Amino acid sequence: GDSVTQMEGPVTLSEEAFLTINCTYTATGYPSLFWYVQYPGEGLQLLLKATKADDKGSNKGFEATYRKETTSFHLEKGSVQVSDSAVYFCALTNSGYSTLTFGKGTMLLVSP
Amino acid sequence: DTAVSQTPKYLVTQMGNDKSIKCEQNLGHDTMYWYKQDSKKFLKIMFSYNNKELIINETVPNRFSPKSPDKAHLNLHINSLELGDSAVYFCASSQVAGGEYTQYFGPGTRLTVL
Repeated sequence: GDSVTQMEGPVTLSEEAFLTINCTYTATGYPSLFWYVQYPGEGLQLLLKATKADDKGSNKGFEATYRKETTSFHLEKGSVQVSDSAVYFCALTNSGYSTLTFGKGTMLLVSP
Repeated sequence: DTAVSQTPKYLVTQMGNDKSIKCEQNLGHDTMYWYKQDSKKFLKIMFSYNNKELIINETVPNRFSPKSPDKAHLNLHINSLELGDSAVYFCASSQVAGGEYTQYFGPGTRLTVL
């Protein structure tokens, strides 16, 4: 079946550092790929998405490129802020009824 | 305007009780979902409904019974609650017809079974 693998956390960074959170996937066909973010005590918010190979999703300074050749969708941000501290989930959907398969989540902690 | 809403936000109850969680979406979507997030933050699909019809049931115990009175609502009823049911339950919706697969999530319901 489909699966998503994310790097283990927590990822601890200082403000203004560069962020990369790795995500790789296994899926048949051509899945759509997503990054969701969960701030402490809150629900899941869609951060960005990409629906086909070589698409780049971007939002709030975050970006990720759909790489079919490496089955990856790594999340990057050039300069993180304390307010970016949250759990980040990589996910894919690969069916007509689009249930999401999630990675285990990566906690990001940004210190001033 | 809240797109996907859930009630209650917190639910604390005793083992053996029966409880319900309600979900409503005002996005006009045709498909709704329930996900469970365990204590390690892992998210897993439980149910999926499309136009009020059950499409996916991911080997969830029979004590969990979803009900969709209309396309905008998907409720989750849990009988005979167990300690292991403690989790955060998320409702989500998407518009599958037309090929848009993005899911939008509610704020979650934190269920604690004592």
